[in-house]
Amino acid sequence: SQQGEEDPQALSIQEGENATMNCSYKTSINNLQWYRQNSGRGLVHLILIRSNEREKHSGRLRVTLDTSKKSSSLLITASRAADTASYFCATVAYYGNNRLAFGKGNQVVVIP
Amino acid sequence: DTEVTQTPKHLVMGMTNKKSLKCEQHMGHRAMYWYKQKAKKPPELMFVYSYEKLSINESVPSRFSPECPNSSLLNLHLHALQPEDSALYLCASSHGQGGTYEQYFGPGTRLTVT
Repeated sequence: SQQGEEDPQALSIQEGENATMNCSYKTSINNLQWYRQNSGRGLVHLILIRSNEREKHSGRLRVTLDTSKKSSSLLITASRAADTASYFCATVAYYGNNRLAFGKGNQVVVIP
Repeated sequence: DTEVTQTPKHLVMGMTNKKSLKCEQHMGHRAMYWYKQKAKKPPELMFVYSYEKLSINESVPSRFSPECPNSSLLNLHLHALQPEDSALYLCASSHGQGGTYEQYFGPGTRLTVT
């Protein structure tokens, strides 16, 4: 089964608003990573949160991890038009093949 | 230099052609990856090289043949592809193999098989 399954909703917000997206997974993980992909381009690593961490910040990004609920959220504060992209979470299983398993991705559109 | 480069950016090929995709990184990373991504889908892992040796092959058809000539280069040789192989092919690298390292992605090669 695929790890890291975000809610597949597209999110459309106004510039300056906050954007929140979620990711759920099924098995125990070593860590969870978030990546951004601008249209038709490569992925950019945003943040990695380990299974023993609950929250992590990087600039305007805030990631939370709840291992009891097997879920994570990514919050982008004060969004900008340049944040328009697809956002993927990816998990690394605690037991297994030590590879990234990407979720379905969330399309975020920030309207200027 | 924190960049992964891929050539060509776009490639159109017929089902009988042979072509190659190239990927290069100069970050000293020892793991390199090929992913395939269809539109509006997440990337799917195809191959992983660790220290220039193939360590993971995700049951990819033999019409895709990877090669790692040295620690900075990764090729994907294509032969007798099918139209359903049309996709964005992404190369990535990381300091070591495995999910504890962040992966750096190239911009991808958009492949169309006619």
